[in-house]
Amino acid sequence: QKEVEQDPGPLSVPEGAIVSLNCTYSNSAFQYFMWYRQYSRKGPELLMYTYSSGNKEDGRFTAQVDKSSKYISLFIRDSQPSDSATYLCAGNSGYSTLTFGKGTMLLVSP
Amino acid sequence: DTEVTQTPKHLVMGMTNKKSLKCEQHMGHRAMYWYKQKAKKPPELMFVYSYEKLSINESVPSRFSPECPNSSLLNLHLHALQPEDSALYLCASSPRQGDQPQHFGDGTRLSIL
Repeated sequence: QKEVEQDPGPLSVPEGAIVSLNCTYSNSAFQYFMWYRQYSRKGPELLMYTYSSGNKEDGRFTAQVDKSSKYISLFIRDSQPSDSATYLCAGNSGYSTLTFGKGTMLLVSP
Repeated sequence: DTEVTQTPKHLVMGMTNKKSLKCEQHMGHRAMYWYKQKAKKPPELMFVYSYEKLSINESVPSRFSPECPNSSLLNLHLHALQPEDSALYLCASSPRQGDQPQHFGDGTRLSIL
């Protein structure tokens, strides 16, 4: 079983929709969780960073971590065409290297 | 603009060439990373430098040779690459090894002819 599972999509939504992106992980030692956004031909851009369980909000973006179910989510409110990108989730125990999911491609149509 | 700068943005080289990729950060981070990313795949870790010393080498072929001349710079020297080495090469940094999050540059897109 891969340590971080993520549906590759593509996920297609209309502009203004609420988007839910999800990952599951298997390593109980993970304490740090990140969401990166990657546009075509660019490097991953850090979007959200959370430590342990809980929610974190930044503008239209909300990250949730549920360590009891090993489930991490990213919600995007009022999605825009400029949100079209690949979203990578990642986990880390603090002593090991980053473990990425495969990435979910999001397409937001005008 | 990212805080991790990589040059060149694009590189085309033959299998017998020698070239170098460069990465620079001025955030005071003491851990720097090289990743390789193929199309539609997540980044794969190649090397980790911690306080300018090689800490992790993920069994990368010797045709890739990393170098960390100082705390702000990271190089990746390339020699005798194969067509399958064509990929996006990403540099990242973090305050210390194991610290999160890592900040990535925009990468060098490498094509091997």
